[in-house]
Amino acid sequence: NAGVMQNPRHLVRRRGQEARLRCSPMKGHSHVYWYRQLPEEGLKFMVYLQKENIIDESGMPKERFSAEFPKEGPSILRIQQVVRGDSAAYFCASSLGTSGTTGYEQYFGPGTRLTVT
Amino acid sequence: TQLLEQSPQFLSIQEGENLTVYCNSSSVFSSLQWYRQEPGEGPVLLVTVVTGGEVKKLKRLTFQFGDARKDSSLHITAAQPGDTGLYLCAGPPNTGGFKTIFGAGTRLFVKA
Repeated sequence: NAGVMQNPRHLVRRRGQEARLRCSPMKGHSHVYWYRQLPEEGLKFMVYLQKENIIDESGMPKERFSAEFPKEGPSILRIQQVVRGDSAAYFCASSLGTSGTTGYEQYFGPGTRLTVT
Repeated sequence: TQLLEQSPQFLSIQEGENLTVYCNSSSVFSSLQWYRQEPGEGPVLLVTVVTGGEVKKLKRLTFQFGDARKDSSLHITAAQPGDTGLYLCAGPPNTGGFKTIFGAGTRLFVKA
């Protein structure tokens, strides 16, 4: 019973390149969330998706960042033309998204650590 | 705006000591979750509390949900270095939807 999977675990990009971060939710989970975390800080919400729909992208910068969760395959967080300030840990989480308390419980992946040089 | 405030922000204690961390809001939450994040890893769900006044125990960890469901606490008895990490509380918004609200966390360091 695999948990949330993220890859790559570590990603190094030069300024101006594109970064693609992948997230496969837990089996049976239809809701995916992306968070950014800087060292010694808490989680910052970026975007919340269901299959083929972006539900809430209020935490995601409007430029250079995009996210998708296609009908088939993993969720992708894409950062174009990366800058040094994009260096952070990016976590994906998934949930059942059903009514009732367990629907809100989020299960996190191990994260992708992005370093922009 | 619905917020979860956690205190203290940072706590450094000796092995064997007891501690309590708090999660407070001015809003009512239908449930609250507690997560622990160890260095270099993703957060891990510890518990969900649902009923006002509820107390749940997980080995040396005791979680309590306030009677009015606006606050929660986590008490750790005889802390161990393995308890070191970031403790986060979170809850569903009362406006509907599934975008969970997270507190900023309490960073705990237990010295051997």
